[in-house]
Amino acid sequence: DSGVTQTPKHLITATGQRVTLRCSPRSGDLSVYWYQQSLDQGLQFLIQYYNGEERAKGNILERFSAQQFPDLHSELNLSSLELGDSALYFCASSVSLTGGASYNEQFFGPGTRLTVL
Amino acid sequence: DAKTTQPPSMDCAEGRAANLPCNHSTISGNEYVYWYRQIHSQGPQYIIHGLKNNETNEMASLIITEDRKSSTLILPHATLRDTAVYYCIVRVAEDAGNNRKLIWGLGTSLAVNP
Repeated sequence: DSGVTQTPKHLITATGQRVTLRCSPRSGDLSVYWYQQSLDQGLQFLIQYYNGEERAKGNILERFSAQQFPDLHSELNLSSLELGDSALYFCASSVSLTGGASYNEQFFGPGTRLTVL
Repeated sequence: DAKTTQPPSMDCAEGRAANLPCNHSTISGNEYVYWYRQIHSQGPQYIIHGLKNNETNEMASLIITEDRKSSTLILPHATLRDTAVYYCIVRVAEDAGNNRKLIWGLGTSLAVNP
């Protein structure tokens, strides 16, 4: 158990719909990362938040958005869903923005499996 | 795009050492090499990281070549539970604010056989 929680575990929805994925980081971690993993693909970095602020952006679609709240939990919002959005969505957290000079171990949650029909 | 190259798959006999190679020929002087693994759709798990020197922890050893263009992750006594996809990742600077993101490739699918 990494200490990172994600809800829901599974989500089935239809094309065109909107969903919200939730992540609670490990206690004390200020950075939250979101990743997408499509079937048989590597992880694609989507976005990073640090203490409520967006700090790094990856391959995140305009239909997707995220935020980190004052209690440090984060939500990933996916709208106008398409079949191709079906994937595992992982949240990860780390202690700080860069982990100090060099160290930045990320702790991953169990993921949310999104199926778009 | 990923900055690392790994073989797509490898096999290893249970109890033997598993040596997983990674090429990162364009690595910069201040970039670290990280290894994570992912067991069947679970969240990835951190294994080890290094800069120049070889590193060892309770899970594995990391051997980095002197020119830093490649590295090898060693699982000294592989077990069936080590069957997973192993990712070699180079840490990339995002911007002048030293933001970081890890760029993930497709990894190596390691099968440990009885």
